[in-house]
Amino acid sequence: DAGVIQSPRHEVTEMGQEVTLRCKPISGHNSLFWYRQTMMRGLELLIYFNNNVPIDDSGMPEDRFSAKMPNASFSTLKIQPSEPRDSAVYFCASSAPGQGASGELFFGEGSRLTVL
Amino acid sequence: KNQVEQSPQSLIILEGKNCTLQCNYTVSPFSNLRWYKQDTGRGPVSLTIMTFSENTKSNGRYTATLDADTKQSSLHITASQLSDSASYICVVSDRGRGSTLGRLYFGRGTQLTVWP
Repeated sequence: DAGVIQSPRHEVTEMGQEVTLRCKPISGHNSLFWYRQTMMRGLELLIYFNNNVPIDDSGMPEDRFSAKMPNASFSTLKIQPSEPRDSAVYFCASSAPGQGASGELFFGEGSRLTVL
Repeated sequence: KNQVEQSPQSLIILEGKNCTLQCNYTVSPFSNLRWYKQDTGRGPVSLTIMTFSENTKSNGRYTATLDADTKQSSLHITASQLSDSASYICVVSDRGRGSTLGRLYFGRGTQLTVWP
């Protein structure tokens, strides 16, 4: 299995630009999570999808952040407009059916975002 | 408030030595506790998952313990190797309430460095 695939691995952009991060979960997994990791705050849940439906988006910082999951094999996290404080590593993770957040999570390698 | 606290924040040991990392939590109702290993520039990878009834679980040179009464867990690494240098993250899941699915609570991690 290829695991959770994220792209891009690195993104450097200027303040005000739109950023789109992409994730392909493990085939057969039906829960997908977006996390943000910083030195100051560690790993924080941004949003959680189950069967392509957003279940918990309480971690989304503000309206500049949006996430979609149009089908079971693809999700995007968009930041528009981006700000320097959005600089972080963004992880996507997935888990198997019936487990949700209580099951084992499989993480991608992350997308390191730098906003200048 | 549901929290996960890890200690020490960082640790340096010599190759071949043993070490123990600590995790205290206040998450309730408890579902399970996991330890993840995160290499620099990579996504977290699961080492162990323990439920309420399990008090010890091993994965090679890694042994995790859980005391659900005192809400403490430890991760013991035996005969450390250079490749053990990583951040070790303790994650606790609650059971959720009613129709709400469980959530994960992340510790800030212990940064372990193994020197030759």
